[in-house]
Amino acid sequence: DTGVSQDPRHKITKRGQNVTFRCDPISEHNRLYWYRQTLGQGPEFLTYFQNEAQLEKSRLLSDRFSAERPKGSFSTLEIQRTEQGDSAMYLCASSAQPGQGDTGELFFGEGSRLTVL
Amino acid sequence: AQSVTQLGSHVSVSEGALVLLRCNYSSSVPPYLFWYVQYPNQGLQLLLKYTSAATLVKGINGFEAEFKKSETSFHLTKPSAHMSDAAEYFCAVRPSGTYKYIFGTGTRLKVLA
Repeated sequence: DTGVSQDPRHKITKRGQNVTFRCDPISEHNRLYWYRQTLGQGPEFLTYFQNEAQLEKSRLLSDRFSAERPKGSFSTLEIQRTEQGDSAMYLCASSAQPGQGDTGELFFGEGSRLTVL
Repeated sequence: AQSVTQLGSHVSVSEGALVLLRCNYSSSVPPYLFWYVQYPNQGLQLLLKYTSAATLVKGINGFEAEFKKSETSFHLTKPSAHMSDAAEYFCAVRPSGTYKYIFGTGTRLKVLA
């Protein structure tokens, strides 16, 4: 078990460009979450998946943000037409389902830091 | 809406002193409660969790927390602070019947030599 991995760890882009982040959850974890964290703040919920189904998406999430988990394994988070306000750490986390090792907690990756110039 | 409140965005303690980080939640039904720690440029690591078993929960690195339903609190404590405890600490709630986790704004702990 290698834990939750995220790629890239750091991304610098110019305003208006598109960026994509990838998350590989712990194998056999069926739930996958995306959070955004800005300096001095706690993680802010963006969306989560159960297998390939996106079950909830934050109402605060702009239409420029889209997430997918096509095969129920890895997930991608794409931000289109980036703005300076998108600069943040994007955290991915995963958890197991009840009856299959669900201990209740989220397991986090180390995050992908986005800087929009 | 469910929420988590962490009182004190910054807490400073002397090495060897008691650590107390406060967390209150809003929920009519006892939820799952968690404390996570985050070191610079790293993801969040679970310290401990309450999942409706014992109200006094022991975690890693000597931390513990007590669930008090009457006060809707889940404060984090450690009897004796160590320099390596300096980090940011987040309280989180997973409301009963959901799989969405809500985090507080965090408390940055500074340990003074």
